[in-house]
Amino acid sequence: DTGVSQDPRHKITKRGQNVTFRCDPISEHNRLYWYRQTLGQGPEFLTYFQNEAQLEKSRLLSDRFSAERPKGSFSTLEIQRTEQGDSAMYLCASSLAGTGGDEQYFGPGTRLTVT
Amino acid sequence: AQRVTQPEKLLSVFKGAPVELKCNYSYSGSPELFWYVQYSRQRLQLLLRHISRESIKGFTADLNKGETSFHLKKPFAQEEDSAMYYCAPSLNKFYFGSGTKLNVKP
Repeated sequence: DTGVSQDPRHKITKRGQNVTFRCDPISEHNRLYWYRQTLGQGPEFLTYFQNEAQLEKSRLLSDRFSAERPKGSFSTLEIQRTEQGDSAMYLCASSLAGTGGDEQYFGPGTRLTVT
Repeated sequence: AQRVTQPEKLLSVFKGAPVELKCNYSYSGSPELFWYVQYSRQRLQLLLRHISRESIKGFTADLNKGETSFHLKKPFAQEEDSAMYYCAPSLNKFYFGSGTKLNVKP
């Protein structure tokens, strides 16, 4: 297992187009998280899954964003009708749920540029 | 609302000098406290977490619940410590600070 992987690593799209990103977590991890990071800021939480259930969504996540984890393994994050403000690094992380806070393992990220 | 403050965007020290990266947090509940680090061209990785009370790469972090602070310290900085450091309290999900860039000069 090489850790959390994300695909693609870079995506350039035109405003108004839809994009989809994929995340493959560490295989035995049951939790999967999506974060967004813009320049000069730390990652911001977007949403997370425990197995296939989406347990929480940030208020930052507009209706144009949707995430799925259909079989409790990989996850996809789709952004519809992209806007220039969506340009950011999208990070995925996974963890094995325990008590309190879990150590999260991060992927390399997908850098989205909306032109 | 949850808030994490890392007051220094950039911290420059000379090799061998002590370093302290500050973190103050405002958080409802009792979060677990973490420090994550991102070296150049690498992914975010865990540096240390409060509950384990370990010293990783010579770094330690002291939790002060009264001041709600979790400052990261190292007595003698090394050039390879140059990186971005993020403080992150967590209850199921992380709230990251905006990060401090540590630059250790030779």
